[in-house]
Amino acid sequence: AQSVTQLDSQVPVFEEAPVELRCNYSSSVSVYLFWYVQYPNQGLQLLLKYLSGSTLVKGINGFEAEFNKSQTSFHLRKPSVHISDTAEYFCAVSLPIKAAGNKLTFGGGTRVLVKP
Amino acid sequence: DTEVTQTPKHLVMGMTNKKSLKCEQHMGHRAMYWYKQKAKKPPELMFVYSYEKLSINESVPSRFSPECPNSSLLNLHLHALQPEDSALYLCASSQRTGGGETQYFGPGTRLLVL
Repeated sequence: AQSVTQLDSQVPVFEEAPVELRCNYSSSVSVYLFWYVQYPNQGLQLLLKYLSGSTLVKGINGFEAEFNKSQTSFHLRKPSVHISDTAEYFCAVSLPIKAAGNKLTFGGGTRVLVKP
Repeated sequence: DTEVTQTPKHLVMGMTNKKSLKCEQHMGHRAMYWYKQKAKKPPELMFVYSYEKLSINESVPSRFSPECPNSSLLNLHLHALQPEDSALYLCASSQRTGGGETQYFGPGTRLLVL
C-alpha cells in the first residue's frame, strides 16, 4: 500500500515571498503524483501532476513541483505568493492501473496562510 | 473544459429524512467518484464507478447508496443519516491521459445532519 506524508501542516508566508510545500510518499511500485489546492468553501482544483517524463512539472497559477525518485519526494514551489494563494494544499498519489477509475491516496494537507 | 457540477450546494436534513446528492459531468469521463471530507482533513474515498458499474466501495455504511444512471450522472442517496455524517461531499470524475488517470473534482455539497 502507498502512503503520503505532508511534512508541514501549516505554512505562514509573507506576500511576494517564495514558498515550498513538502510531500514525501511511500510505495513499493511506481506511482503517479498530484498536487491539488482547495480554497475556502470550495472543491479541489488540480494544480499539477507527474505521470512520466521531465521531473520538473509546471502547473497553474505559477506553481511547479519536482519529482525526486531517489528521495521519494514531490515538493511544490512558488517563487512569489499572493494573498489569493491562501488555501489548503493536498499532495496525492495513485497507482498506474489500466482500468478506468483509480484510488487517490492523499496526504494530510498543508494550510498556507499568506500575510500582507 | 474540466467541469464537474454538484447539486445542491448546501443541504440540511434530519436523521429520518431521505435526500439525494447529484453530480454531473459532460467530459466523457468513464469513472466517477464520491468522497467525504471532514473539516481540516483530506477527502476520504467512498465509492468509485467505472463504466457505470460500482468498482470500489470503501466499506461505506448502507445508509449511503450510490447510483450511476448513465455515464454523465452520479447520485448519492442518503437515508437515516447520523450527525457525524455531516461533512462536505465531493464528486469527481477522471480522464485517462498520458497513461495516467487524472481526477477532477466538483465544488461539493455541504451536508448538515440534525
